[in-house]
Amino acid sequence: ELKVEQNPLFLSMQEGKNYTIYCNYSTTSDRLYWYRQDPGKSLESLFVLLSNGAVKQEGRLMASLDTKARLSTLHITAAVHDLSATYFCAVDNQGSQGNLIFGKGTKLSVKP
Amino acid sequence: DAGVIQSPRHEVTEMGQEVTLRCKPISGHNSLFWYRQTMMRGLELLIYFNNNVPIDDSGMPEDRFSAKMPNASFSTLKIQPSEPRDSAVYFCASSFPGLAGSSYEQYFGPGTRLTVT
Repeated sequence: ELKVEQNPLFLSMQEGKNYTIYCNYSTTSDRLYWYRQDPGKSLESLFVLLSNGAVKQEGRLMASLDTKARLSTLHITAAVHDLSATYFCAVDNQGSQGNLIFGKGTKLSVKP
Repeated sequence: DAGVIQSPRHEVTEMGQEVTLRCKPISGHNSLFWYRQTMMRGLELLIYFNNNVPIDDSGMPEDRFSAKMPNASFSTLKIQPSEPRDSAVYFCASSFPGLAGSSYEQYFGPGTRLTVT
């Protein structure tokens, strides 16, 4: 059974600081997704990582995937308040016709 | 494209009443997913369909919950009878797995906030 673990689950940061959110998963998969959810809103796709070594960047966020280590990271550079949200990673449940297994989410709070 | 459409956006009902949530996936997408999100339990997959056929309903909490997908552009999630513990946000998502090696990215609807009193 595929399991996806994120850490930390809660993260309080100061503006201007850097930090990394980790996403570990338990079985072979070469596709990983990061989503963002603002309070009271839906999940919005951030990054799609489709192969080992994939790296995607948008603004202050950068995501990478190491399929050998079964690990993805979401790196935050010089955090700003607008990045406050919950971030989910999700992994293909291979052979399941598109089912994704989601982590529990990391609630990020960026304080001035 | 309008994205995934869900209705109603908010629903308040009394315990014991029947509730029907509706979802229209993105045109051309052939996989559809129903999720429930609460503070206590987080995001839970209830059921998903591929080409209108239910593939896995192991997440459906109990027999009070049922879901249908009569055609490629419409799905319903029904709760009968509803209970206060069913209060949650229910999301519908769709995807197009497409060719082997392509993305299974899911696109989420805005959600239905259900309150059962």
